[in-house]
Amino acid sequence: EIVLTQSPDTLSLSPGERATLSCRASQSFSNIYLAWYQQKPGQAPRLLLYAASSRATGIPDRFSGSGSGTDFTLTISRLEPEDFAVYYCQQYGSSPRTFGQGTRLEIK
Amino acid sequence: EVQLVQSGAAVKKPGESLKISCMGSGYIFSTYWIGWVRQMPGKGLEWMAIIYPGDSHARYSPSFQGQVTISVDKSISTAYLQWRSLKASDTAMYYCVSPGRDGYNSPFDSWGQGTLVTVSS
Repeated sequence: EIVLTQSPDTLSLSPGERATLSCRASQSFSNIYLAWYQQKPGQAPRLLLYAASSRATGIPDRFSGSGSGTDFTLTISRLEPEDFAVYYCQQYGSSPRTFGQGTRLEIK
Repeated sequence: EVQLVQSGAAVKKPGESLKISCMGSGYIFSTYWIGWVRQMPGKGLEWMAIIYPGDSHARYSPSFQGQVTISVDKSISTAYLQWRSLKASDTAMYYCVSPGRDGYNSPFDSWGQGTLVTVSS
């Protein structure tokens, strides 16, 4: 099983700042199998990025992703108030599918 | 547009059985994988199981194998998640998910609204 570890657990930033979230895997896999999701309180998660860097439908271009092998990054270039949420990475190339534990992005 | 609509919240006692449902619409149900993700209170996401309605081929996370059963009824475009004997630790929100047209090795681009299951004596 591929274990995904996200860091930091909590990130405190202000609107307008840049956010960088990390996802590290216990073993290397192809970046085409890495996704990022956003979850707001009381809502189902929403797919943000897939294949490490491709934005899902309707996702603004301030969200970007990068990485390969075991290290992946989600970057939000300029935080909007609606971006404060919990973010999860997920690998979907091997079974069982696994998620990281999440990074909570909170308003400073 | 793919829509996944789940059954309502359930409150059960330990040892009782339960079957929750997820109806898919906006696509040919038998052609998209459909699965379940658990989120315990205040915790993260855990992939449980997934099934291909076309042939009912199912795959389970080792953490949930033998604990739950995933099934489908193609005639009503509905997937199910079933417990034979609930435990308090099954208390969680359960999301129905689908990777859509791109198949098994794809992210979950469609999510249901969630079904809250509470197990308490």
